[in-house]
Amino acid sequence: KQEVTQIPAALSVPEGENLVLNCSFTDSAIYNLQWFRQDPGKGLTSLLLIQSSQREQTSGRLNASLDKSSGRSTLYIAASQPGDSATYLCAVRPISSGSARQLTFGSGTQLTVLP
Amino acid sequence: DAGITQSPRHKVTETGTPVTLRCHQTENHRYMYWYRQDPGHGLRLIHYSYGVKDTDKGEVSDGYSVSRSKTEDFLLTLESATSSQTSVYFCAISHLPLADQETQYFGPGTRLLVL
Repeated sequence: KQEVTQIPAALSVPEGENLVLNCSFTDSAIYNLQWFRQDPGKGLTSLLLIQSSQREQTSGRLNASLDKSSGRSTLYIAASQPGDSATYLCAVRPISSGSARQLTFGSGTQLTVLP
Repeated sequence: DAGITQSPRHKVTETGTPVTLRCHQTENHRYMYWYRQDPGHGLRLIHYSYGVKDTDKGEVSDGYSVSRSKTEDFLLTLESATSSQTSVYFCAISHLPLADQETQYFGPGTRLLVL
């Protein structure tokens, strides 16, 4: 069974710092990996999607990498801002039978960027 | 933002009562999903639908049923609510152009409290 782990569960940094969020998964047979952002009391917003054949994706100050062989992904946030404060979740889409539409989520990292 | 609404947004109910949550989309996407989000567990798939009247179970389907009589609506029913079903419920949609390019779009969530 695919398991996704995110460490740390919470992170607090001063504004302007570059930071890295980590995601690990146990089964490398995946279609893709996604990073989502969730603001308090809100739904999830997709930030970046990395297909299984790709190594990284970039959007603005965000850069996500994928190393399938080691079962790891990182989300790099450059020059953090207070508006980046949110919970960041990663999710993988396993290549598997049964619930083939299922995304498997990590528990998230709650990021606080202090002014 | 994808056109996804959930109703109600908040609900308090008593143990043993049936509860129905509604997800409505205006995107004409084929796939619809119900997830629950609990502290320490991330999001877990309850049921999903791959077309009108076509549904399948997810990871945590016990105690839940779903129906999809129209493309735009996906209903989640708690047949006899229990306190363990207190959670935040999210609906998601996708159109699945290719398996490795699929992303899911999430609704704002429904907070359910079962007393």
